[in-house]
Amino acid sequence: AQSVTQPDIHITVSEGASLELRCNYSYGATPYLFWYVQSPGQGLQLLLKYFSGDTLVQGIKGFEAEFKRSQSSFNLRKPSVHWSDAAEYFCAVGEGTGANNLFFGTGTRLTVIP
Amino acid sequence: SAVISQKPSRDICQRGTSLTIQCQVDSQVTMMFWYRQQPGQSLTLIATANQGSEATYESGFVIDKFPISRPNLTFSTLTVSNMSPEDSSIYLCSVGQYNEQFFGPGTRLTVL
Repeated sequence: AQSVTQPDIHITVSEGASLELRCNYSYGATPYLFWYVQSPGQGLQLLLKYFSGDTLVQGIKGFEAEFKRSQSSFNLRKPSVHWSDAAEYFCAVGEGTGANNLFFGTGTRLTVIP
Repeated sequence: SAVISQKPSRDICQRGTSLTIQCQVDSQVTMMFWYRQQPGQSLTLIATANQGSEATYESGFVIDKFPISRPNLTFSTLTVSNMSPEDSSIYLCSVGQYNEQFFGPGTRLTVL
């Protein structure tokens, strides 16, 4: 069965510091992988996605993620965090073709301190 | 990308009543999804609503509790029936397009 694990419930970083949010998935076939961000009171916004090809994918707002099949991981990174990045981040895996039936991780709440 | 709106954005309801949430998309889409996000939790898929067919419900969700309509390619409704405080959640609709899902802003429901 598909599952997504985000081991870090809450992360606090200083503004300007680097960030890495962890995501591990369990899926039998080649997964479709996504990172979404949810700001307070907002819906979900897609940061980036991986379907195939280059395992390092670039997204919006300066985020990137690397797919590592051997580790079943799809970690999200940003070299320098801005205060506006404070939000909830969700990793998701899609089954089938494209984004049918997304399975979400439990999320990681990011706090940015000045 | 699709632009999705939901009504109402939030509501406070009494237990035992029902609420219908509307989801409107600015373009025609085949696949629409309804999710529930309980307080402090992740998103859980309630059902998939494709135009022209009955909604497909995920384990733990039933049509009598969460009836869904999909009258055309740009609109869907989710009704939360006979509400209890445990139904207090954010309900989000999304659409499948270009191998990804686009989400609406959500409806925050509080049941007293």
